[in-house]
Amino acid sequence: DIQMTQSPSSLSASVGDRVTITCQASQDISNYLNWYQQKPGKAPKLLIYDASNLETGVPSRFSGSGSGTDFTFTISSLQPEDIATYYCQQYDNLLTWTFGQGTKVEIK
Amino acid sequence: EVQLVESGGGLVQPGRSLRLSCAASGFTFDDYAMHWVRQAPGKGLEWVSGISWNSGSIGYADSVKGRFTISRDNAKNSLYLQMNSLRAEDTALYYCAKDILPRTGIAVAGDIWGQGTMVTVSS
Repeated sequence: DIQMTQSPSSLSASVGDRVTITCQASQDISNYLNWYQQKPGKAPKLLIYDASNLETGVPSRFSGSGSGTDFTFTISSLQPEDIATYYCQQYDNLLTWTFGQGTKVEIK
Repeated sequence: EVQLVESGGGLVQPGRSLRLSCAASGFTFDDYAMHWVRQAPGKGLEWVSGISWNSGSIGYADSVKGRFTISRDNAKNSLYLQMNSLRAEDTALYYCAKDILPRTGIAVAGDIWGQGTMVTVSS
């Protein structure tokens, strides 16, 4: 089974800061990697699919990059409404998903 | 409006069964793979099971394999999760999610999610 290692588990940054989260797969997953945002008490929201494609309606300050085993999620300028937990998720051709452990983003 | 509404959760004793339902509306249900994802209190997301648009492909997490069964009724725009032999560690909020791509044999990403139904396994 493919394992996803996400880091850091939490971070604190100031409004306007650039925030970066990484996700590492235990084996090559090409670009089969998505990113979600989950605010407290809410369902997850898809932000990025296939490593770098912005879901419709998602602000352009969110971006993703990477392929193979190493992936990065970036918020170019952190906003107060971005306070949430972010998850990476890989998919394969066997109808299975694997989530990373999550990164809790807080305002400093 | 595209919507998923889960139901069927509740308090159940260990070893007993429960059936979750997810009612879909606002999109062509039988075009898309569907999934169940759970989240234990204060914990991260865990994929539970997925089913292709035509029920031809099904997948389960190792933690539920042999105990849970996913199914769908495209005529009723509904997704189900039959949960047997429940354990304390199955306690979680269960979400259903719609896959982003139509009529594929793989599961890509969840672009629409319900609000979840809570399952508590305790004596």
